[in-house]
Amino acid sequence: DTAVSQTPKYLVTQMGNDKSIKCEQNLGHDTMYWYKQDSKKFLKIMFSYNNKELIINETVPNRFSPKSPDKAHLNLHINSLELGDSAVYFCASSTWTGRNTEAFFGQGTRLTVV
Amino acid sequence: AQSVSQHNHHVILSEAASLELGCNYSYGGTVNLFWYVQYPGQHLQLLLKYFSGDPLVKGIKGFEAEFIKSKFSFNLRKPSVQWSDTAEYFCAARSGGGYQKVTFGTGTKLQVIP
Repeated sequence: DTAVSQTPKYLVTQMGNDKSIKCEQNLGHDTMYWYKQDSKKFLKIMFSYNNKELIINETVPNRFSPKSPDKAHLNLHINSLELGDSAVYFCASSTWTGRNTEAFFGQGTRLTVV
Repeated sequence: AQSVSQHNHHVILSEAASLELGCNYSYGGTVNLFWYVQYPGQHLQLLLKYFSGDPLVKGIKGFEAEFIKSKFSFNLRKPSVQWSDTAEYFCAARSGGGYQKVTFGTGTKLQVIP
């Protein structure tokens, strides 16, 4: 029973296309995140939502647009894909009010732009 | 700015050797600290975490870490590594509070030779 699930696991697409990655968590958490892991394995936060509201928005091109229809889902839509967008994207979730909680990660979506 | 540093980028050990991976953070105030492991092709899994209390934290699979506040360090240790420990290890930190973003170090690739 997967706690944080992402779809698809692999995504290969051409430059200029628009694509979406979906994320769902069944942990009852109210905060969700998107992280990008580049080819050197460096993990960098992109966005965070709490109860469907954007609370963290790092310096990310506006081609990336997160959408949270409810607190259990956080989708990532990417417009006009570029070669440099190739990376592994991880979704994560945690609780807002709990201090002693960690982030749980999904299995990642490996995006390859050709 | 808040940051996490991992100075060992690639570590190669023989089975049964002892392991210590360095991690330093630069945060003021209350800090939560984590070690995550990423096995090849897998998602991030939590090895251990420190929030407060005993600075020596024991995690899964025989790993432990020691929080030394005066050194701003949270080094990961294991007395005897196994081939199955081959993975990427990430140190991470967060300002106290479950909603705060987690900042990751650049990771240490551990290769254990049988």
